[in-house]
Amino acid sequence: GAVVSQHPSWVICKSGTSVKIECRSLDFQATTMFWYRQFPKQSLMLMATSNEGSKATYEQGVEKDKFLINHASLTLSTLTVTSAHPEDSSFYICSALDPATQYFGPGTRLTVL
Amino acid sequence: GDSVTQMEGPVTLSEEAFLTINCTYTATGYPSLFWYVQYPGEGLQLLLKATKADDKGSNKGFEATYRKETTSFHLEKGSVQVSDSAVYFCALSEENFNKFYFGSGTKLNVKP
Repeated sequence: GAVVSQHPSWVICKSGTSVKIECRSLDFQATTMFWYRQFPKQSLMLMATSNEGSKATYEQGVEKDKFLINHASLTLSTLTVTSAHPEDSSFYICSALDPATQYFGPGTRLTVL
Repeated sequence: GDSVTQMEGPVTLSEEAFLTINCTYTATGYPSLFWYVQYPGEGLQLLLKATKADDKGSNKGFEATYRKETTSFHLEKGSVQVSDSAVYFCALSEENFNKFYFGSGTKLNVKP
């Protein structure tokens, strides 16, 4: 099946710093990628839909300037958490569409001190 | 709007027991339906899918049938193993695959 990778798998940072998370589709091209945040009680929250070559579509309540998404190529989308704070600590998961099924990355755990 | 409802967990079973995790959906049009599994500390993996009514998805002993008349896509396995312990998510996608809707997840614990 299609493989999606994420990097890093775990990042710890100080409050106020910015963190970039990469999502790559390894064996297919994805015009559409999704970014989710998973909360401690397992529920998934869709943050944004990332389309290659265009601006991301953010879900209601997600701050565009806080969570910057760039989908510069058909195999790479990045999520940058700007000026991270402890409440941004979470498990961030990306997925890529190929073409009618979502394939998920392994997730990135962000811990903000 | 579209939505997915799945049974709350956790579900605790003994090894070799029969598993059913209920999933019902609300959708306009003709959605595709999915089950994903998440093992501890990992991302979601596609378990199986069905793209039209009466289709049966199957993988690793798990099965689910797309029932349009009851708007359901229940996950079943005849004999669970300890290694099946994970969180299972039911999901639906609109026809154009621009949006996916997930259930809240059901945690399965299988005891030896």
